Amino acid sequence: NAGVTQTPKFRVLKTGQSMTLLCAQDMNHEYMYWYRQDPGMGLRLIHYSVGEGTTAKGEVPDGYNVSRLKKQNFLLGLESAAPSQTSVYFCASSYSPLGAAQYFGPGTRLTVL
Amino acid sequence: QQPVQSPQAVILREGEDAVINCSSSKALYSVHWYRQKHGEAPVFLMILLKGGEQKGHEKISASFNEKKQQSSLYLTASQLSYSGTYFCGTEISGTSYGKLTFGQGTILTVHP
Repeated sequence: NAGVTQTPKFRVLKTGQSMTLLCAQDMNHEYMYWYRQDPGMGLRLIHYSVGEGTTAKGEVPDGYNVSRLKKQNFLLGLESAAPSQTSVYFCASSYSPLGAAQYFGPGTRLTVL
Repeated sequence: QQPVQSPQAVILREGEDAVINCSSSKALYSVHWYRQKHGEAPVFLMILLKGGEQKGHEKISASFNEKKQQSSLYLTASQLSYSGTYFCGTEISGTSYGKLTFGQGTILTVHP
């Protein structure tokens, strides 16, 4: 039982390049989330999904897109990376929409030059 | 909308106690507490639902004052393993889908 996994763990991009971050969970959770973490700012919600085929915007969605084609996977895409997107990205999942623990993946450290 | 945590940092000796506070300007459905060690993912500690309940987990407990929209995390007889950054995450009443808004974090350092 791996929980929540993320790939890759590290990535360096040049401005304007694109990439996709993959999140996978094996807990059969319905709800999945993408956060970014910047120094001194805590975790901020980018996008979330309430089930297979559904996604919604969070607090800081600009410059990102997501897809949830399979229940266990949640993809985060950057179409044209910018230095402001340098951050640590965490994926999380939970079994219930309210009052339930969120379980986090190990994170992806992204640097955009 | 971001909840405010205080203090920003705490330094303790092993065995000492600490309190971390989390305050919101919004009516809350729940407050979550997570701990994150450097370079690792946040780890869930506990959830408090509206109703003013108090929860405990060994030497770590928390309370939620629904009237004041405040939660406090209590760490008693601290251990070296308690070191890390503590985040509260709040679910606002009337919203849905577990959207958490996190505070800026409190850095806790425990020395031998």
